[in-house]
Order: sequence, then structure tokens, then C-alpha cells
Amino acid sequence: RKEVEQDPGPFNVPEGATVAFNCTYSNSASQSFFWYRQDCRKEPKLLMSVYSSGNEDGRFTAQLNRASQYISLLIRDSKLSDSATYLCVDNQGGKLIFGQGTELSVKP
Amino acid sequence: EAQVTQNPRYLITVTGKKLTVTCSQNMNHEYMSWYRQDPGLGLRQIYYSMNVEVTDKGDVPEGYKVSRKEKRNFPLILESPSPNQTSLYFCASSPGAVGNQPQHFGDGTRLSIL
Repeated sequence: RKEVEQDPGPFNVPEGATVAFNCTYSNSASQSFFWYRQDCRKEPKLLMSVYSSGNEDGRFTAQLNRASQYISLLIRDSKLSDSATYLCVDNQGGKLIFGQGTELSVKP
Repeated sequence: EAQVTQNPRYLITVTGKKLTVTCSQNMNHEYMSWYRQDPGLGLRQIYYSMNVEVTDKGDVPEGYKVSRKEKRNFPLILESPSPNQTSLYFCASSPGAVGNQPQHFGDGTRLSIL
């Protein structure tokens, strides 16, 4: 089993849709998680950190469920510019484990 | 401008010819790391460094070496490159010593080993 697993993509959604990505992690001791986005093999860029209490940044909401060991990312009111690959990251004290990524394509 | 700079951006070389990919950051970050990205496998960590003279293996360290003699530089060395090291490589840095703060990535280095 991979240490970090993400929903397989691609997700094809219309503009304005709400889309949710899930990511599961296997290390129950993991404390620190992030969501990054990556455009077309360019460098990954931080989207948001994931906090235990859940956190929101505009149209984006991240949740952490420690009991079930999963992280989610919700995107509301999708824009064309949200099209990218979304990477879930588990930081194990400096050793970073990336999920394979989920591709999102937002269509007009 | 705060940035992570990798060189070269592109390189085609032959099996067995030693090469070094440089990585430099101007943000005084303690943590630096190298990753490779391959289709279907995602980003995988090669080595990371929490501070000067401190380096640790990531998931896929075989065939690579690193050094951290000074804070700003973290070169990736391929002593005897092989075709299976053909990949897209990213260097990253972050302020925290354990990488628990957001990583700033370089633009990437595309290596082809023939």
C-alpha cells in the first residue's frame, strides 16, 4: 500500500461546480499535511496547509480526519484557472511523501 | 526576489558521465530537498537537509549524492548516471528545519541520460 494515496483522476467538471478530492495516508503518527497544485509539469506551488480543525481559504477548504487517516480538499465555484494537478503531501519530520496527484480539468 | 535557482534547466548526457545539478536559495532557509518526478509515480524525495552538514535519505536515494556545506546551496550529484535517472528534478527549500512549512520549489531540471 502506498503511504499517500489520492483519488485517481482526471476529474472533468463544468465551471461553477463543487469538486472534492480525498487523500489517505498510512502513517498514523503523521502530523503535518499540505495541498499543492502543479500546472503542466511546472514546479508545485503551495495551495494550503491542512490543520486539524479544518481551514478555509476563499473557495478552498481543507479537512483532516485523523481517525480515518484522510485529508480532503473542497473547491467551490470552480474556475477554468483551477485546472491543474492537486498533490497531497504528508510531512514526516522532514521526509516528505507526495501522493501521485489528482488531475482536475474545469470546462466552460 | 526570493527564489530557488536550479542549474542547468535541461541536460542531455550519456551513461556514466558524472554530473552535478546545482540548487541555490536566497531566503536563508534551513531546510532543502531534492525530488524527482516521473509519469505515474509522482514526486519522490531523493534527499533532504535540515541544516548545514546534515543530510538524510528520502524515498529514492540510490544513485545520488548530496552535500550541504553552506546554507544556501544543496547540489545533487550523479556520480555515474544511468538511463533510469532520466527524469524531471525539483529542488525546494523551506524556513523550518523539518520542512513543516511550505516548500518553495525551483523551476525544475529536465535530465535525459542516454
